[in-house]
Amino acid sequence: GQSLEQPSEVTAVEGAIVQINCTYQTSGFYGLSWYQQHDGGAPTFLSYNALDGLEETGRFSSFLSRSDSYGYLLLQELQMKDSASYFCAVRHNYGQNFVFGPGTRLSVLP
Amino acid sequence: DVKVTQSSRYLVKRTGEKVFLECVQDMDHENMFWYRQDPGLGLRLIYFSYDVKMKEKGDIPEGYSVSREKKERFSLILESASTNQTSMYLCASASGRAGNEQFFGPGTRLTVL
Repeated sequence: GQSLEQPSEVTAVEGAIVQINCTYQTSGFYGLSWYQQHDGGAPTFLSYNALDGLEETGRFSSFLSRSDSYGYLLLQELQMKDSASYFCAVRHNYGQNFVFGPGTRLSVLP
Repeated sequence: DVKVTQSSRYLVKRTGEKVFLECVQDMDHENMFWYRQDPGLGLRLIYFSYDVKMKEKGDIPEGYSVSREKKERFSLILESASTNQTSMYLCASASGRAGNEQFFGPGTRLTVL
């Protein structure tokens, strides 16, 4: 089977840096994705890591360690609009199937 | 821009009714997916399709069926709705080539009374 773990909630202040962790146990592994979902909205794609290391896209970075079955999403210079739920998702076979984690609700305070 | 649309934002049905949820994408994607989203459980895959008339079971297919007669359209069917199928239903599509990104529709919040 597959299982992913994320913290359920994280709180930070504007301008700060926050890291959202994701650990996974899956029968196969091809990559780790991150999605953002605002209340009432659809999930939107943030990043995908297939290889170990850090991928940076503007204020957001995503890290993967395949040997540790672990990844994280790093959000810098937090803004109020970053308040949302963040989901990690593992691609566990060669197809387009992803298994999603339970999500982390990020609250950014003024 | 990729656009994934779903037939309804909100739907209220009674136990035992047959329910159809429709999803349409306009980017010629090969892959389409149906998820349900419940608090604390994330998104769980119900069914997916790699091509027209092709379908595969996801993690929680019981009580659901799907239909993909045209490439752009993927329908989720609840043969006999039950209260435990009250949930948010999300459709997504993805390119079958190198794409790793899934594009989601706005969701249908289904309430079964």
